[in-house]
Amino acid sequence: DADVTQTPRNRITKTGKRIMLECSQTKGHDRMYWYRQDPGLGLRLIYYSFDVKDINKGEISDGYSVSRQAQAKFSLSLESAIPNQTALYFCATSPSANTGELFFGEGSRLTVL
Amino acid sequence: GDSVTQMEGPVTLSEEAFLTINCTYTATGYPSLFWYVQYPGEGLQLLLKATKADDKGSNKGFEATYRKETTSFHLEKGSVQVSDSAVYFCALEAGGYQKVTFGTGTKLQVIP
Repeated sequence: DADVTQTPRNRITKTGKRIMLECSQTKGHDRMYWYRQDPGLGLRLIYYSFDVKDINKGEISDGYSVSRQAQAKFSLSLESAIPNQTALYFCATSPSANTGELFFGEGSRLTVL
Repeated sequence: GDSVTQMEGPVTLSEEAFLTINCTYTATGYPSLFWYVQYPGEGLQLLLKATKADDKGSNKGFEATYRKETTSFHLEKGSVQVSDSAVYFCALEAGGYQKVTFGTGTKLQVIP
């Protein structure tokens, strides 16, 4: 089983719908991240959380919200999806003691029509 | 702010060819530098890293040297294989906050 699990892996939805992407991890890491990947733009940070009570905006947080339900769970929500949120979304984790090494899930491909 | 610039792809090479993917960075202070690899249909995984100037990271035949004077961290491999076909991302982490900044990725295709 994967250490960082994302659900759903693929989702097609319509403009205006609410969508939640879920991430759970068994690595015991404190830090969790949501990234978005777009062709030609690489990965961009949406939100990150250093522990359950610490949530921070990344460079492209507008239109997104997150919830850290437990150390192992970090969810990303799109309250009202729009077509330019069509992308591949990645959850990642890292241990507090490490610098820079991220452990990624397999990604959630979201299409907003 | 911090940024990473890497060569655009795709890069197409024949098996056993020499690979170089260029990466330069802009950052305050002294960042840690990374190469991540993304195989088709998978998430990114760390390939190698270097945490200070002149360090060489290496893994699976890939190497990259942290060059502070040229702010570069070029990825090299002496003889690529078909199984190396993937997207390669250069990245940095500066300031100790574990906010990693990624380049745009370079797709490598190795043909038999």
